[in-house]
Amino acid sequence: NAGVTQTPKFQVLKTGQSMTLQCAQDMNHNSMYWYRQDPGMGLRLIYYSASEGTTDKGEVPNGYNVSRLNKREFSLRLESAAPSQTSVYFCASRTTGEGSNQPQHFGDGTRLSIL
Amino acid sequence: AQSVTQPDIHITVSEGASLELRCNYSYGATPYLFWYVQSPGQGLQLLLKYFSGDTLVQGIKGFEAEFKRSQSSFNLRKPSVHWSDAAEYFCAVGAPGRRALTFGSGTRLQVQP
Repeated sequence: NAGVTQTPKFQVLKTGQSMTLQCAQDMNHNSMYWYRQDPGMGLRLIYYSASEGTTDKGEVPNGYNVSRLNKREFSLRLESAAPSQTSVYFCASRTTGEGSNQPQHFGDGTRLSIL
Repeated sequence: AQSVTQPDIHITVSEGASLELRCNYSYGATPYLFWYVQSPGQGLQLLLKYFSGDTLVQGIKGFEAEFKRSQSSFNLRKPSVHWSDAAEYFCAVGAPGRRALTFGSGTRLQVQP
């Protein structure tokens, strides 16, 4: 069972470059999420998609865009990378109809460094 | 707005000793509560969850947690820690109608031989 797959696992960028982080899940989940993890700050929500065709901003959306390509895939794009975006990025998914009582399933993360 | 506090940034215990990791939440009603574990270089794995009912919940790897409404707490416990339990632990809270979880800042557990 693959679960949630993130690519790439590691990436180094120069300031101003752009890139897209890919995420795919094979659990037929409706909702997908992008978080960033920084030391001492836990996980902070960047964007989420409650269902195919919808996206919403989270706690820290500035500098990012997302695309819910289909039910399986949810990508995160950095249009002009900044050193402050150096972080570990996690994608998660969960099944949901209503409410928040289902756990999220996480990928292994993308470690992104911006020089 | 809901929030989660994990007061202990770093805890060190000896192998075989008992463990309790603290989690306090802020929410006006009964929240949905989760504990996740993250091993180095890995994603987050769900240890256990609480929605309603019995306030003592059992999880994987011998962990349990107790929901105490009066204290707004959901502390994680294990009777005897193994070296493989060294990891970072995150408490998270969800709420009806809210689509995403709110995470605490994490507690890093170190296990001494």
